[in-house]
Amino acid sequence: GAVVSQHPSRVICKSGTSVKIECRSLDFQATTMFWYRQFPKQSLMLMATSNEGSKATYEQGVEKDKFLINHASLTLSTLTVTSAHPEDSSFYICSARWPGYEKLFFGSGTQLSVL
Amino acid sequence: GENVEQHPSTLSVQEGDSAVIKCTYSDSASNYFPWYKQELGKGPQLIIDIRSNVGEKKDQRIAVTLNKTAKHFSLHITETQPEDSAVYFCAASRDSGGYQKVTFGTGTKLQVIP
Repeated sequence: GAVVSQHPSRVICKSGTSVKIECRSLDFQATTMFWYRQFPKQSLMLMATSNEGSKATYEQGVEKDKFLINHASLTLSTLTVTSAHPEDSSFYICSARWPGYEKLFFGSGTQLSVL
Repeated sequence: GENVEQHPSTLSVQEGDSAVIKCTYSDSASNYFPWYKQELGKGPQLIIDIRSNVGEKKDQRIAVTLNKTAKHFSLHITETQPEDSAVYFCAASRDSGGYQKVTFGTGTKLQVIP
């Protein structure tokens, strides 16, 4: 099956710093990638849709200046949490769609802890 | 928008028994229904999916059924094993502005007791 690689798997940072999370599609080109946030024991909440070569589309209530998304190539999307605060601590997951199909493949997730 | 409800939220079964998880959706335009398994600290893994033109699909111990009229679909796991213990999410997906918009259920924590 398709492989989506996400790094880092875990990051601890100080409040006020920025953190970058990478999502790569390893064996296919993904024109669209998705970023989710998941709180403990809850479902996945779509944050934004990352489109290669254009601006990301953010869901209602998600601050685009807070969560910067860059999709510079067909295999890489990055999510940068800027000026992180403790309330940004969460599990962040990316996904990519196999071209031409409905199937979504997920990365392994990134546990962000902001002290 | 789409609303996906999932039941039960937790499920405990004895090893070897069957487990059934049910989901309902609200948007009749949804046409693709995947199921994901998520282990602790990991991303969701696609385990089976079904399109709206099919009523049932089976893959070894896992099967999914879809009732379009009633707008509900179910995951069936037979001969459960301890390694099946995880959180399972259903989802409903439809075309939206050129890409598929996916709505996830609330998840079911399955515990298989050895």
